[in-house]
Amino acid sequence: AAGVIQSPRHLIKEKRETATLKCYPIPRHDTVYWYQQGPGQDPQFLISFYEKMQSDKGSIPDRFSAQQFSDYHSELNMSSLELGDSALYFCASSSSTLLAGAKNEQFFGPGTRLTVL
Amino acid sequence: AQSVSQHNHHVILSEAASLELGCNYSYGGTVNLFWYVQYPGQHLQLLLKYFSGDPLVKGIKGFEAEFIKSKFSFNLRKPSVQWSDTAEYFCAVNPRGMDTGRRALTFGSGTRLQVQP
Repeated sequence: AAGVIQSPRHLIKEKRETATLKCYPIPRHDTVYWYQQGPGQDPQFLISFYEKMQSDKGSIPDRFSAQQFSDYHSELNMSSLELGDSALYFCASSSSTLLAGAKNEQFFGPGTRLTVL
Repeated sequence: AQSVSQHNHHVILSEAASLELGCNYSYGGTVNLFWYVQYPGQHLQLLLKYFSGDPLVKGIKGFEAEFIKSKFSFNLRKPSVQWSDTAEYFCAVNPRGMDTGRRALTFGSGTRLQVQP
């Protein structure tokens, strides 16, 4: 079965640079979420999109922005990178309209490991 | 806002030992409950979930969890662990409601399980 795809899988940037992370949700999923997991930390919710509109906002820094495109893929744009942005960034997708067994279940991608030097 | 507490940060067991990981949540309304597992270097995988109905939920790989509403708890159990269960385990919740399919997860701090052969 198709899974959530994230690219790139690894990214190394210098301080003050920018980065763009991409997420391709499972086909027919209408909601995309972004989470940040720092070293030894639990995943923290950043932002989500439902049907291409921002749905919910968590602890996303003002330096970050995100959007969901017409093909439902999403991009997380990160500017003025700081050392503390080094983390694993997960994308997850879910559907509010599938069969009850999988409805509202979030499926996670493999993550993008961002290292800021 | 909801919060999740996992009391055991690091658990070391021998193979065939029984496992119980604690999870308590705090929220003023009804929640959906999840347990995710993260194997070293991998993404989050759903072990089991509770939305409603029978409070004893069976998941994959022999795991089960019991929702005790009066205690706001959703403890994870396995009768006999294997070396391959070595991983980090996260309890998570999101609010249940009309838009539950679009609500982000709040994770606990995780429990690192180490199973010794």
